[in-house]
Amino acid sequence: KQEVTQIPAALSVPEGENLVLNCSFTDSAIYNLQWFRQDPGKGLTSLLLIQSSQREQTSGRLNASLDKSSGRSTLYIAASQPGDSATYLCAVPEGGTYKYIFGTGTRLKVLA
Amino acid sequence: NAGVMQNPRHLVRRRGQEARLRCSPMKGHSHVYWYRQLPEEGLKFMVYLQKENIIDESGMPKERFSAEFPKEGPSILRIQQVVRGDSAAYFCASSPEANTEAFFGQGTRLTVV
Repeated sequence: KQEVTQIPAALSVPEGENLVLNCSFTDSAIYNLQWFRQDPGKGLTSLLLIQSSQREQTSGRLNASLDKSSGRSTLYIAASQPGDSATYLCAVPEGGTYKYIFGTGTRLKVLA
Repeated sequence: NAGVMQNPRHLVRRRGQEARLRCSPMKGHSHVYWYRQLPEEGLKFMVYLQKENIIDESGMPKERFSAEFPKEGPSILRIQQVVRGDSAAYFCASSPEANTEAFFGQGTRLTVV
């Protein structure tokens, strides 16, 4: 059964720092992995989708890497800004199906 | 192309009432998924539907919850005789095919008082 763990659970950093958020999953038979952002009381915004054949994806200041064999993904945020404050969620499909298994997220606070 | 639309965004119901949550998938998407996010917990899969068919409802509570995705109109998640423990954010996602990227709506926040 697929399980997704995110470390750390919470993170508070001063503006300008480069950050690494971690996601690990137990079943490496995935066809993609998605990183989402969730603002308090709001919906999910998809940040990056990495297909199983890819090692990384980049969008602006965000870079996500995927190592299927070790069951890990990292989300790198460069030059963090207060507007980056949110909860970041990692999700993988279970057993190659459509059911996404979500981690409990990393709550990020970037201080001005 | 509008994203996944959910309404209402916020819903307050008294215990024992019915809650109906609506989800209009993105244009061209015929696969709909419902997830629930309980307070301080991660999102959990509830049900997967295609037009007029429930494909997988393994994550849905056996009683009081039902879902449909009719030929015309939005997908509906229906909760009968709501209880306080049903208070949560309910998210809908859609995709063009089963194993492709799913796009999420803004969610409906249900509060049972």
